[in-house]
Amino acid sequence: AQSVTQLGSHVSVSEGALVLLRCNYSSSVPPYLFWYVQYPNQGLQLLLKYTSAATLVKGINGFEAEFKKSETSFHLTKPSAHMSDAAEYFCAVRSFNQAGTALIFGKGTTLSVSS
Amino acid sequence: DSGVTQTPKHLITATGQRVTLRCSPRSGDLSVYWYQQSLDQGLQFLIQYYNGEERAKGNILERFSAQQFPDLHSELNLSSLELGDSALYFCASSPRGAGGTGELFFGEGSRLTVL
Repeated sequence: AQSVTQLGSHVSVSEGALVLLRCNYSSSVPPYLFWYVQYPNQGLQLLLKYTSAATLVKGINGFEAEFKKSETSFHLTKPSAHMSDAAEYFCAVRSFNQAGTALIFGKGTTLSVSS
Repeated sequence: DSGVTQTPKHLITATGQRVTLRCSPRSGDLSVYWYQQSLDQGLQFLIQYYNGEERAKGNILERFSAQQFPDLHSELNLSSLELGDSALYFCASSPRGAGGTGELFFGEGSRLTVL
């Protein structure tokens, strides 16, 4: 079975600082991995995805993530935080059980950005 | 705007009642997924339908049921409601059942409050 673990339920950074949100995965097959963002009172929006092509994946709003098989990690980074980045971020892995294709989500990390 | 439409956006009801949540997927998408988001459980996958057929089940209670109609819209029925069913219910869609890169497109959710 596939699963993801997000380390840290809450991360606080200053505006302009590096953003690092951690995600480790467990999968018995080569994983498809995703990062989604959820702004207050909104649905989830795809930031980026890894589907076994390049290990460094670039997404929207300046975010990127690196797939590291040896560390079973898929951490999300952004060089310089902006106030508008404050939101909840979810790491997810695609399930391959029973022909279903649902995404299995981590518990989420709330990012706070201070001025 | 993801193209996934959910109604109603908010719903308040009493314990023991039954409600129906509706979802219209993106144009052309054949798969519909239902998720429940709560503070204690996070984002939980409930059920997936593909072109009218149930494809996969997650942590869906027996009091809950879903279906996908010929026009591809889906309904999630919640019965004998309990206080603990209060949550945000998301619908998501994707183009395929088992193929593709697996990303899901989420609606803005239906917030259910059970009093």
